[in-house]
Amino acid sequence: SYELTQPPSVSVSPGQTARITCSGDALPKQYAFWFKQKPGQAPTLVIYKDSERPSGIPERFSGSSSGTTVTLTISGVQAEDEADYYCQSAYNSGTYHVVFGGGTKLTVL
Amino acid sequence: EVQVSESGGGLVQPGGSLRLSCAASGFTFSSYAMSWVRQAPGKGLEWVSGISGSGGSTYYADSVKGRFTISRDNSKSTLYLHMNSLRAEDTALYYCAKDLEGYYDSSGYYTYYYTMDVWGQGTTVTVSS
Repeated sequence: SYELTQPPSVSVSPGQTARITCSGDALPKQYAFWFKQKPGQAPTLVIYKDSERPSGIPERFSGSSSGTTVTLTISGVQAEDEADYYCQSAYNSGTYHVVFGGGTKLTVL
Repeated sequence: EVQVSESGGGLVQPGGSLRLSCAASGFTFSSYAMSWVRQAPGKGLEWVSGISGSGGSTYYADSVKGRFTISRDNSKSTLYLHMNSLRAEDTALYYCAKDLEGYYDSSGYYTYYYTMDVWGQGTTVTVSS
């Protein structure tokens, strides 16, 4: 089965840049999407189609893709950015398979 | 305002059945694919099932295939998840989510991203005796 691999945790100090990676064999052919989830809340889409930012998402959130790895970058991290982040993709092998990464806990020190 | 709202969760015994509903508003429901995503207590997100805008195409995670059925009533702007043969491992918060707008692929076929740009607050399903 297809998997997306994320680091379990990333820690940064306020004002620094956080980078969260997501690796998967199908990522060169399929778009990736990123979600932010704070405790007790539903997830929120923060990046779509690898690097597009939905309206209302701060400019400090950006996404990039290189080969089998996509990266969510948060520049000038703020305390409110502390959350779990999930990557997601979908691939079609005759039927659609939608997959989430295991999630990365971002801690703002 | 674009919104989705789930209902129908509850406590059910192993082997039992439950039907979840998701009421949508603020957008043309039939134009968008929809998905169900669940999250077990303290765990990550797990995609459960997706359905095309017309309802003609449905997709399932291997963990629920043959037990769960996704459907939609576009006249009522409502999404459903019929869950049978429930197991303890199905215990989770179940989210309904709307997809991004679809697109035409290189073959001219209208398709969807099967992602989630609007989420509900979820409904809790507990499977226990």
